[in-house]
Amino acid sequence: QVQLVQSGAEVKKPGSSVKVSCKASGGTFSSYALSWVRQAPGQGLEWMGGILPVFGTSNYAQKFQGRVTINADISTNTAYMELTSLRSEDTAVYYCARDRSYGHALDFWGQGTMVTVSS
Amino acid sequence: DIQMTQSPSIVSASVGDRVTITCRASQSISTWLAWYQQKPGKAPKFLIFDAFSLESGVPSRFSGSGSGTEFTLTISSLQPDDFATYYCQQYSSFSRTFGQGTKVEIK
Repeated sequence: QVQLVQSGAEVKKPGSSVKVSCKASGGTFSSYALSWVRQAPGQGLEWMGGILPVFGTSNYAQKFQGRVTINADISTNTAYMELTSLRSEDTAVYYCARDRSYGHALDFWGQGTMVTVSS
Repeated sequence: DIQMTQSPSIVSASVGDRVTITCRASQSISTWLAWYQQKPGKAPKFLIFDAFSLESGVPSRFSGSGSGTEFTLTISSLQPDDFATYYCQQYSSFSRTFGQGTKVEIK
């Protein structure tokens, strides 16, 4: 059983950056892909991008290209999502989730990390 | 990006009712479709993949169907635990997209 545990809530100023971590246990971290999905308050789900840790290759939704970086540390079974140039519209819960297989559905999810962007 | 549109946005139903939610894709996605259930304050729960394959442990009252551009999620007999918001998601394109969600509420 895969478990994904994310870092705690963050409050950030507009223009700053945030980095959220996602530590995996169970399964073989290097063998599966991870995605990041966000959900603004009262809104739907939005896929941001993903990574295949074994190759270190990341792919991003066009909307976030240039502002998001996803990477992973296989030695600690941890993935990271960094979002820069934060604005109020980035206030959301950010989830990491495992790809059932690369580019597939998302079968295991972290508990979510609330990021609030406010001056 | 492939657009996913769910209908209706809200379903009002009673325990024991049969509930059907529709998801339409802006282009053909074969059967590359998943369904999730989300309750307030919780992460989504994975229900169905490849349009109709039930994830292990998901009750058999849930079923999925469809291919191409039109898909349905059916709950054959609504239970108290099923009141939640449901999302479809395509993975035909690597840039995965979700429907806007359908809330199943108590009538």
